[in-house]
Amino acid sequence: AQSVAQPEDQVNVAEGNPLTVKCTYSVSGNPYLFWYVQYPNRGLQFLLKYITGDNLVKGSYGFEAEFNKSQTSFHLKKPSALVSDSALYFCAVSLTRQLTFGSGTQLTVLP
Amino acid sequence: DTGVSQDPRHKITKRGQNVTFRCDPISEHNRLYWYRQTLGQGPEFLTYFQNEAQLEKSRLLSDRFSAERPKGSFSTLEIQRTEQGDSAMYLCASSSPAQNTEAFFGQGTRLTVV
Repeated sequence: AQSVAQPEDQVNVAEGNPLTVKCTYSVSGNPYLFWYVQYPNRGLQFLLKYITGDNLVKGSYGFEAEFNKSQTSFHLKKPSALVSDSALYFCAVSLTRQLTFGSGTQLTVLP
Repeated sequence: DTGVSQDPRHKITKRGQNVTFRCDPISEHNRLYWYRQTLGQGPEFLTYFQNEAQLEKSRLLSDRFSAERPKGSFSTLEIQRTEQGDSAMYLCASSSPAQNTEAFFGQGTRLTVV
């Protein structure tokens, strides 16, 4: 079985400050890891993925994530937050074709 | 726009009625997925098609739920004898045949059972 934990329901950060949204996973085998973002009344939008290779993955809108196998983590980061980054963020893991999502973290960037 | 399209966007139905949702994937994508998302939760996998073949079904997909993709293009998800617990956002996603590709999601159909 595979599972994803997003330990923070809510993250608040000031505009211009770095942001981190945490994700840990549990899976047997080598996982594929993803981050998606959901804006109100919108579908999920793909941000980035880790398949293999470099542990630091760069994605859309200046986001990046670091895969840490020993800590089974895949935290989402951005060096300088924008108000427009405020949204609901989901981490997901996949071994086969289906995605298993975390419960989401609401990011609020304060002006 | 060539994204994943879902119809309708919203559906209100009375308990016990049947409902059907449609999903049109990105045209070159042969893989199609259905997920269900309830308030405050992440999406939960329901079922997966590769072309017209339904290859995986979640235990969440009770006997009242059926999904089809008859010609390997669009898909329908039908819920029979709806219950209040079926109220959720139903998301469709598609992905290309290439290995390790991400899924692209539609905007979803929000179902409210009253």
